Amino acid sequence: DAGVTQSPTHLIKTRGQHVTLRCSPISGHKSVSWYQQVLGQGPQFIFQYYEKEERGRGNFPDRFSARQFPNYSSELNVNALLLGDSALYLCASSWDTYTGEQYFGPGTRLTVT
Amino acid sequence: KNEVEQSPQNLTAQEGEFITINCSYSVGISALHWLQQHPGGGIVSLFMLSSGKKKHGRLIATINIQEKHSSLHITASHPRDSAVYICAVIGVRGNQFYFGTGTSLTVIP
Repeated sequence: DAGVTQSPTHLIKTRGQHVTLRCSPISGHKSVSWYQQVLGQGPQFIFQYYEKEERGRGNFPDRFSARQFPNYSSELNVNALLLGDSALYLCASSWDTYTGEQYFGPGTRLTVT
Repeated sequence: KNEVEQSPQNLTAQEGEFITINCSYSVGISALHWLQQHPGGGIVSLFMLSSGKKKHGRLIATINIQEKHSSLHITASHPRDSAVYICAVIGVRGNQFYFGTGTSLTVIP
């Protein structure tokens, strides 16, 4: 079985632009979570989706949004990019929200210039 | 103040040494994860536990819910164990995640 996949792997954007990151969960997993990891720091929780509904949100501005599709894949959108948005964006999937062990994708490295 | 604190931040050990990484948290949790992150970013979940102790090969994880503390032990450490180890907790409703800043482990041959 394929693991969690993310695209693209690397991305360079300019301040003020918009970006869309994509995540495909492991087959059968219904929950997807997004995390931001700035270089040298631990990950920060952004969103959790389960069965296409937002179930959790971290302390991120409204410029960050996400959605989950009927096939359980997910998109993370960031508007009006700032230099501080440069980070590794990780997606993780699990069977459910409470007891599911998290399986992480390889991440998307976003650089904002 | 971070909801999850790890110690030490950095750790260097000789091959074969017994290693302990500690994690303390301040929120109510439904579960705790120990994660391993290698250079390049890939994260692997080592353990998910909500009570007691789990063992996998040379790795042992324990959690004390009353004391809000968990430890990750590595027995007979090996250079391939060199990585960043991250403690993460899931809030009681299962929809909030809090991460420690990680412990960078280097095992020298």
